[in-house]
Amino acid sequence: KAGVTQTPRYLIKTRGQQVTLSCSPISGHRSVSWYQQTPGQGLQFLFEYFSETQRNKGNFPGRFSGRQFSNSRSEMNVSTLELGDSALYLCASSPGAGQQETQYFGPGTRLLVL
Amino acid sequence: SQQGEEDPQALSIQEGENATMNCSYKTSINNLQWYRQNSGRGLVHLILIRSNEREKHSGRLRVTLDTSKKSSSLLITASRAADTASYFCATDGAGGSYIPTFGRGTSLIVHP
Repeated sequence: KAGVTQTPRYLIKTRGQQVTLSCSPISGHRSVSWYQQTPGQGLQFLFEYFSETQRNKGNFPGRFSGRQFSNSRSEMNVSTLELGDSALYLCASSPGAGQQETQYFGPGTRLLVL
Repeated sequence: SQQGEEDPQALSIQEGENATMNCSYKTSINNLQWYRQNSGRGLVHLILIRSNEREKHSGRLRVTLDTSKKSSSLLITASRAADTASYFCATDGAGGSYIPTFGRGTSLIVHP
């Protein structure tokens, strides 16, 4: 099976802009989670989607949002970008039968906000 | 705040040596997982150990879990240069809320 794919791989934006990142999970996986990784804060959980519904949410401001489509593909959106949003954004998928499963990560999207 | 904290932050060894990394956490868990990340790329799952298990093996990897001390260790035996990576432990709570939390990782360098 193909792994988790994320697009784009690299992105440069300026403050105030918005950005949309895309994630395609492993075929058959219904759960998609998003993480932000920065040198200062480490890896932090953003949210998880299962069957097009947000099932869990981390402690991030409302500027961070996401959605999941019927084919399990997911997008996350960050509005009004700030310099501190520069990070590696990782997507992970899992079968979704239980909430505590092994996750399979994509290569990430590296976002730079200038 | 981080639930899991890895120790040491960095580890440098020679090929063939064993590498041991530790993870401590604060609250009770259902399971603990170890992941590897190569230089700014995605994480790769290594091992999942459940709270009622004490030890698991996978190839050259050995993971132990001590719930009384709220700690876990990852041992890589006979290390190779290809093991150079950052290693993270991830925990999720036993209270029913699944918010996975990762430590800051141990950066392992294996010199050929």
